[in-house]
Amino acid sequence: EAQVTQNPRYLITVTGKKLTVTCSQNMNHEYMSWYRQDPGLGLRQIYYSMNVEVTDKGDVPEGYKVSRKEKRNFPLILESPSPNQTSLYFCASSRGTDTQYFGPGTRLTVL
Amino acid sequence: GESVGLHLPTLSVQEGDNSIINCAYSNSASDYFIWYKQESGKGPQFIIDIRSNMDKRQGQRVTVLLNKTVKHLSLQIAATQPGDSAVYFCAERRFSSGSARQLTFGSGTQLTVLP
Repeated sequence: EAQVTQNPRYLITVTGKKLTVTCSQNMNHEYMSWYRQDPGLGLRQIYYSMNVEVTDKGDVPEGYKVSRKEKRNFPLILESPSPNQTSLYFCASSRGTDTQYFGPGTRLTVL
Repeated sequence: GESVGLHLPTLSVQEGDNSIINCAYSNSASDYFIWYKQESGKGPQFIIDIRSNMDKRQGQRVTVLLNKTVKHLSLQIAATQPGDSAVYFCAERRFSSGSARQLTFGSGTQLTVLP
């Protein structure tokens, strides 16, 4: 089954404790992206990757890092999480920047 | 700044009626538009897309209309069903400050189907 998976689905952590949210897709897509979703603000792009070892900032990259060492994986790293990063995070993949397929989401709470 | 926006944050329709969800965009350079549906607790799901060289595109029970003159996009759902209750997002593809084109999403419209 073609899908985008994210782990964990739910995470509660404390300020400053490094964390990684994993994202994996099995569709051999070149393009992957991370979004955060906040009430009233819709989906905002954090980072995207056009292919292996090619990443670039989206609209709200501050406080986040990503890497793309393999085509199927695109982890999101929060080196020092802060409460304003409490949000619902989605990973997405696509063949180009057309239709994106989204993962189920990761709900992160930073205390 | 430029943004994709929605006319109404909520929309309630009777089961069986047609629904129309609207979206305004401001970047005339956008060349591709998508509608997504997001059910509670799930990720956005692709519904239908349209390129800027088209005015209308139809899918199964859904139609997207694009009016480039007034920069307006709409999603029409025929014979709305309870399973259509969700948040609907429009997204536009436009060139970002980098060279790659990215999708920018609107804030969403909550569609509620009444029995």
